[in-house]
Amino acid sequence: GAGVSQSPSNKVTEKGKDVELRCDPISGHTALYWYRQSLGQGLEFLIYFQGNSAPDKSGLPSDRFSAERTGGSVSTLTIQRTQQEDSAVYLCASSTGGRTGNTIYFGEGSWLTVV
Amino acid sequence: KQEVTQIPAALSVPEGENLVLNCSFTDSAIYNLQWFRQDPGKGLTSLLLIQSSQREQTSGRLNASLDKSSGRSTLYIAASQPGDSATYLCAVRDDYKLSFGAGTTVTVRA
Repeated sequence: GAGVSQSPSNKVTEKGKDVELRCDPISGHTALYWYRQSLGQGLEFLIYFQGNSAPDKSGLPSDRFSAERTGGSVSTLTIQRTQQEDSAVYLCASSTGGRTGNTIYFGEGSWLTVV
Repeated sequence: KQEVTQIPAALSVPEGENLVLNCSFTDSAIYNLQWFRQDPGKGLTSLLLIQSSQREQTSGRLNASLDKSSGRSTLYIAASQPGDSATYLCAVRDDYKLSFGAGTTVTVRA
């Protein structure tokens, strides 16, 4: 596609339920990132994929968070047993390579509200 | 750990005035620096990318400078318009990921 695509754009879920957020990066981009932006906070790095591998998962806040990437393309971020503090915008980004000087492009985000 | 600071946190100017947004970072070993714009309820739009070997980059009314040795970048927006109202984020890339500042929220008054 023309840009980074994320779905759903908005999700309201009950505390304790699991949610899946999807990211479809720009075609041909091998590097994929997930960031989180909580209300009034800066962007927080969650995880980085190079191809299907995740060499850096250091930003995942707890073991309730997991992510995978398949076929070097689509990625899914899963949050199990959601808590109210998980409410945030989850942003996906991609670029042509991890360790390069190329532009990183962001999607519109998935807005998660846990009630 | 890279720390990125943006000053001021908020800025309000009358239409037509030039905007100056500042960004500083603690570790000068960077690949590049990117400036983004974020509108309310939206994702991030990339405005300018400056490679570590460059001193400045220009796109239309936007000009960004980079002084890597002192850990500073400045985004200049000439002749501001109400449509420039948004939050502007600075991000530095060291190794593979971006580290972000908290942003400067700009309001341009008509």
